[in-house]
Amino acid sequence: DAGVIQSPRHEVTEMGQEVTLRCKPISGHDYLFWYRQTMMRGLELLIYFNNNVPIDDSGMPEDRFSAKMPNASFSTLKIQPSEPRDSAVYFCASSGGQGAIANEQFFGPGTRLTVL
Amino acid sequence: GQQLNQSPQSMFIQEGEDVSMNCTSSSIFNTWLWYKQDPGEGPVLLIALYKAGELTSNGRLTAQFGITRKDSFLNISASIPSDVGIYFCAGRKNTGFQKLVFGTGTRLLVSP
Repeated sequence: DAGVIQSPRHEVTEMGQEVTLRCKPISGHDYLFWYRQTMMRGLELLIYFNNNVPIDDSGMPEDRFSAKMPNASFSTLKIQPSEPRDSAVYFCASSGGQGAIANEQFFGPGTRLTVL
Repeated sequence: GQQLNQSPQSMFIQEGEDVSMNCTSSSIFNTWLWYKQDPGEGPVLLIALYKAGELTSNGRLTAQFGITRKDSFLNISASIPSDVGIYFCAGRKNTGFQKLVFGTGTRLLVSP
């Protein structure tokens, strides 16, 4: 079975440019999470969706960040305009099922973003 | 945001040795998860724990849900070079939300 798919795997852009990261969750999962990982702050939850609806976006750093989930099999995280401090690895994760198993989040391979 | 405290921060051991690491919090959690992250990859789920006192194994890995519900432990027996990586704990509070809080990670290096 395919796991969580993310694209691109690497992105290098210049300050001020728009960046769009993409995620395809595991089929049948109804929760989707976006995380950011840096050496200084570790893994931080940015936003998560349930049944395509954003539930908690309190981790989104500022208005430059936005996320959408137009359908159950696709989500985007957009940064506009990008800044050097946005450089990090961005992970998408998904979970699903009933009861306790819904807690088990499965991560994609990540997108390494470098903003010059 | 909040992070769980993991210790040790890093370990350098010889192949064949057993490894222990732990994760602590000042808050009560009702779920504990342990993940391993290899360089350039996403975290991979190793073990999930749902009850205080629960002891669960996955091959050479054994994890325990602390009795106080404020901590969890991971043991790796007879370590091998492919155990190298960063191990993260993650916890979920009983808030009705699906959010996980992640630990600071334990970096494991294994010498052949």
